[in-house]
Amino acid sequence: RKEVEQDPGPFNVPEGATVAFNCTYSNSASQSFFWYRQDCRKEPKLLMSVYSSGNEDGRFTAQLNRASQYISLLIRDSKLSDSATYLCVVNAMNRDDKIIFGKGTRLHILP
Amino acid sequence: GAVVSQHPSRVICKSGTSVKIECRSLDFQATTMFWYRQFPKKSLMLMATSNEGSKATYEQGVEKDKFLINHASLTLSTLTVTSAHPEDSSFYICSVAYNEQFFGPGTRLTVL
Repeated sequence: RKEVEQDPGPFNVPEGATVAFNCTYSNSASQSFFWYRQDCRKEPKLLMSVYSSGNEDGRFTAQLNRASQYISLLIRDSKLSDSATYLCVVNAMNRDDKIIFGKGTRLHILP
Repeated sequence: GAVVSQHPSRVICKSGTSVKIECRSLDFQATTMFWYRQFPKKSLMLMATSNEGSKATYEQGVEKDKFLINHASLTLSTLTVTSAHPEDSSFYICSVAYNEQFFGPGTRLTVL
């Protein structure tokens, strides 16, 4: 099992719809989780951290399920500007305290 | 996809010394590479954008004279931490962006 796995997509979603995608991780000791957004040929930028209690920022909601070892990102009322690649990032609490990146999920919002 | 390597993977040095970290794009010519830093249990922070043949672009709050970046070829960018201090101890990771992101394995720097 890969350390961090994401469905690469692409997810083609009509504008205004709600879309959700998950990211699974293999290291049960992982403590920190993040969602990054990356636009084409740009550096990834932090979208939001994922807390144990879940968190919401406007149209975006992130949740953590430790029992099943996955995090999720929900986007409501999607906008054309939401089209991007969404990277799941996990801080694997191993010897090196290394950050592990998912490959990303591509999202296309259709007009 | 692009393969990105970094060297060294781990370095321990004394305070006051300079440390050079190499980032190589093994199968892709990268005009742009990104350097990130991550402190324990914190998120990734972009430090600078390395541009082949020109000056790097630094993020706000990152000292360009302390973190020297050289992107002399399409496959190699180097980050030199000058006069390193314990507070510079961190995980440094580079990346190449082309349609999707390709990250190097990172360099763990510990300054004693």
